[in-house]
Amino acid sequence: DTGVSQDPRHKITKRGQNVTFRCDPISEHNRLYWYRQTLGQGPEFLTYFQNEAQLEKSRLLSDRFSAERPKGSFSTLEIQRTEQGDSAMYLCASSPRTGVNYGYTFGSGTRLTVV
Amino acid sequence: RKEVEQDPGPFNVPEGATVAFNCTYSNSASQSFFWYRQDCRKEPKLLMSVYSSGNEDGRFTAQLNRASQYISLLIRDSKLSDSATYLCVVNKADKLIFGTGTRLQVFP
Repeated sequence: DTGVSQDPRHKITKRGQNVTFRCDPISEHNRLYWYRQTLGQGPEFLTYFQNEAQLEKSRLLSDRFSAERPKGSFSTLEIQRTEQGDSAMYLCASSPRTGVNYGYTFGSGTRLTVV
Repeated sequence: RKEVEQDPGPFNVPEGATVAFNCTYSNSASQSFFWYRQDCRKEPKLLMSVYSSGNEDGRFTAQLNRASQYISLLIRDSKLSDSATYLCVVNKADKLIFGTGTRLQVFP
């Protein structure tokens, strides 16, 4: 499978717990993006990487959120001290360097439920 | 004001109908435009890019009006399988910004 992979597909956690999601982009894509989507809304930008460098973080990304892409390949998104408002679909996407002109390829997402 | 605005719908149309979706965007510096399709509880998938000259892919036609900052998508001869949410997308500072989506339901 040469698409974007995300793990886990679903995560249910208790409020206050930490969670970590993983994304494996398409291998030749050097840009990786994280988005969050809630019911009835479009995906909202969180952050993106070019290779291992994190180039931008949205104001949506509070200090409880951290993302890494240590070797420029897979990425992790960690949420500390989860809150019910963090319940959403977390989508990862990748693109080639000039991907903005060609669109992204999304993974299937990780659906987070905080109870 | 949202950066990308779409009518959320739903648009309920019979099979075979022609349906048009519109979208407006606020950033005049945007240079790339797309329509994505999203099925229920699935990830968004690129449907087509949008150009000022217009582009067509089978039953789908997309058009961009830069002067009005307006993007459209026309679907002809609607199929049941076209039922989905259609997301209008523009680029801003090297990342894509999504509208809230327009829901389409095609009925027999």
